[in-house]
Amino acid sequence: AQSVSQHNHHVILSEAASLELGCNYSYGGTVNLFWYVQYPGQHLQLLLKYFSGDPLVKGIKGFEAEFIKSKFSFNLRKPSVQWSDTAEYFCAVNDRDSNYQLIWGAGTKLIIKP
Amino acid sequence: NAGVTQTPKFQVLKTGQSMTLQCAQDMNHEYMSWYRQDPGMGLRLIHYSVGAGITDQGEVPNGYNVSRSTTEDFPLRLLSAAPSQTSVYFCASSPLAGAYNEQFFGPGTRLTVL
Repeated sequence: AQSVSQHNHHVILSEAASLELGCNYSYGGTVNLFWYVQYPGQHLQLLLKYFSGDPLVKGIKGFEAEFIKSKFSFNLRKPSVQWSDTAEYFCAVNDRDSNYQLIWGAGTKLIIKP
Repeated sequence: NAGVTQTPKFQVLKTGQSMTLQCAQDMNHEYMSWYRQDPGMGLRLIHYSVGAGITDQGEVPNGYNVSRSTTEDFPLRLLSAAPSQTSVYFCASSPLAGAYNEQFFGPGTRLTVL
């Protein structure tokens, strides 16, 4: 069965630092990939998604992610983080095996020091 | 639009008690789902529904019942609460079931079972 790994459970960065959060899934084949974010006190919301085409996808608030099929990865990046990026970030995957239900990673808590 | 609403926000139960977590959406979404979020484990799917009158089990359905009598409402019932059900519960909805649809989340219900 599909599984998703987010290797960094906690990340602390200073403002203006570059960010890369790792996401790996276990099972190959055709997958759909998502990053969701939960800002403090707010609902989970979609940051970006990949279905097909250009493996570099851009999302809201300057985030982007790159799908590397050979590495089963979908890492999230941002060139320069802001204090307002403090949040918990979740990677999720669906495929035919999961009946297109989302399989979630454990999440990464990101803290940006002002 | 209120989006996805959940009540209550917090609940404390004693072992063996039953209760219903309410979820409603006003976006006319066909797909609704319930997740639980536990520390270090990400979100796990409990039950989902692809339309009124249709429900199915997710990854962790034991101890929970759902029904979908209307498009708007998708309550989650705990039949006999156990400490292992202490968690944060999220309801989500999506325009349609399937691979490509963004899910919209409610604010969550934090449940403690003593």
